[in-house]
Amino acid sequence: AQKVTQAQTEISVVEKEDVTLDCVYETRDTTYYLFWYKQPPSGELVFLIRRNSFDEQNEISGRYSWNFQKSTSSFNFTITASQVVDSAVYFCALSEALRKTSYDKVIFGPGTSLSVIP
Amino acid sequence: ETGVTQTPRHLVMGMTNKKSLKCEQHLGHNAMYWYKQSAKKPLELMFVYSLEERVENNSVPSRFSPECPNSSHLFLHLHTLQPEDSALYLCASSQDLQGAGNTIYFGEGSWLTVV
Repeated sequence: AQKVTQAQTEISVVEKEDVTLDCVYETRDTTYYLFWYKQPPSGELVFLIRRNSFDEQNEISGRYSWNFQKSTSSFNFTITASQVVDSAVYFCALSEALRKTSYDKVIFGPGTSLSVIP
Repeated sequence: ETGVTQTPRHLVMGMTNKKSLKCEQHLGHNAMYWYKQSAKKPLELMFVYSLEERVENNSVPSRFSPECPNSSHLFLHLHTLQPEDSALYLCASSQDLQGAGNTIYFGEGSWLTVV
C-alpha cells in the first residue's frame, strides 16, 4: 500500500533561519511521482514541485530546495532564509505512475504546519 | 490568478438549507475532483470526474451530490448537512488522460460552516 509520512506536525522557526520539512513515502511501484504543495491560511493548495522516481537530482528554486533520496524513500524540502510569508501548511504527496484507477490517484501526507516568527 | 476558481469562498448554511458549491477550471484539463479538508484530519478525496463521467465516489453520504455538466465546471450540491460537515471543500483538476502522475491543481477552497 502507498503511504506518505510527514512526522513533523508543527515547526516554528525565527525569520531568516533555514528549515527542512521531512517526507517519507512507501510504495511498491518502481515508477512514481512525488509532489510538494503549500497551503497558506487562505486555503488554496499551491503546487510547488513534481518529481518522478527516475530523477534523483536535487532541485533548487530560489530559496526552496528539494532532496530526493530513493535509498531512504525520502523527499525532503528545505527553505533557506525563511520569511514570514513562508508560514503555511506544507503537504508532501505521492502518485502512482502505472495507474490502477482511471484517474490520477494522489496520496497526501498529513501536512507540516510551519510558523515563521518575525 | 488561479487556474481553478471556486465560489463561494465562504458559506454558512443551516441544516435544512440547500446550497451549491461551484468550481470552474481554465486549464483545459479532463479530470476534476472534490476534496474535503476537516480540522486535524487528512485530505479526503470525495469525488472524481473524468470527461464528465463520475469515476470515483469514496463512500460519500448522499447529502453531497456532485454534478459535472462539462469538463470545465463542477458543482457540489449540499442538502440537509450536519454540523460535522463543516470543513474546507477543495476543487481540483488534472490533465488525466495524458498519462499518470499528472499534477493536480487546486482552487482556493470554499469554507463551509453548517449551523
